[in-house]
Amino acid sequence: GENVEQHPSTLSVQEGDSAVIKCTYSDSASNYFPWYKQELGKRPQLIIDIRSNVGEKKDQRIAVTLNKTAKHFSLHITETQPEDSAVYFCAASIEGGSYIPTFGRGTSLIVHP
Amino acid sequence: DTGVSQNPRHKITKRGQNVTFRCDPISEHNRLYWYRQTLGQGPEFLTYFQNEAQLEKSRLLSDRFSAERPKGSFSTLEIQRTEQGDSAMYLCASSLDAGLYGYTFGSGTRLTVV
Repeated sequence: GENVEQHPSTLSVQEGDSAVIKCTYSDSASNYFPWYKQELGKRPQLIIDIRSNVGEKKDQRIAVTLNKTAKHFSLHITETQPEDSAVYFCAASIEGGSYIPTFGRGTSLIVHP
Repeated sequence: DTGVSQNPRHKITKRGQNVTFRCDPISEHNRLYWYRQTLGQGPEFLTYFQNEAQLEKSRLLSDRFSAERPKGSFSTLEIQRTEQGDSAMYLCASSLDAGLYGYTFGSGTRLTVV
């Protein structure tokens, strides 16, 4: 089955700095990679996703890149703000079929004002 | 429709008791998923339904766990003879078809087995 590794487990940055979270996956058939943000005590919420036919996707201050050959993808947050503090999860799945994402262990992002 | 709803939000139970959780998905979503999340971990897949049919179950879902979605709408997850290791957040998610529009998670049920 799919195995998703996520690093780092904790990331501490100053407000305004950039943050990068990296994930690797094992199943070359995976073609859909969502990212979720989970604030303390709240549900995971989809913030951005990327499909394997795209190398990069941006949405305001967040972007995701995908390297299919190396089987890794990354979340980039620029100009971080304290409200970006949360746990971020990457996931990998095969769109269509059973479509059950395998999640990484999460990265706790702390943005210091 | 305000999203995926889960009840109860918190449940404390004694070891050996049975517990049941409920999930109400977004009404037009035909797929419903159950996950377990422990501290410091990502959500771990337990099982999922397409309408009323339970199509896949994880090895994590022991015989003490059973899930139903009798009418293809809400779902229940029952844990029999709870153990302390069952303490976790149980998340429900729903999606339309094969997740083309992404999962929507509920707020979860936090189970504490004492």
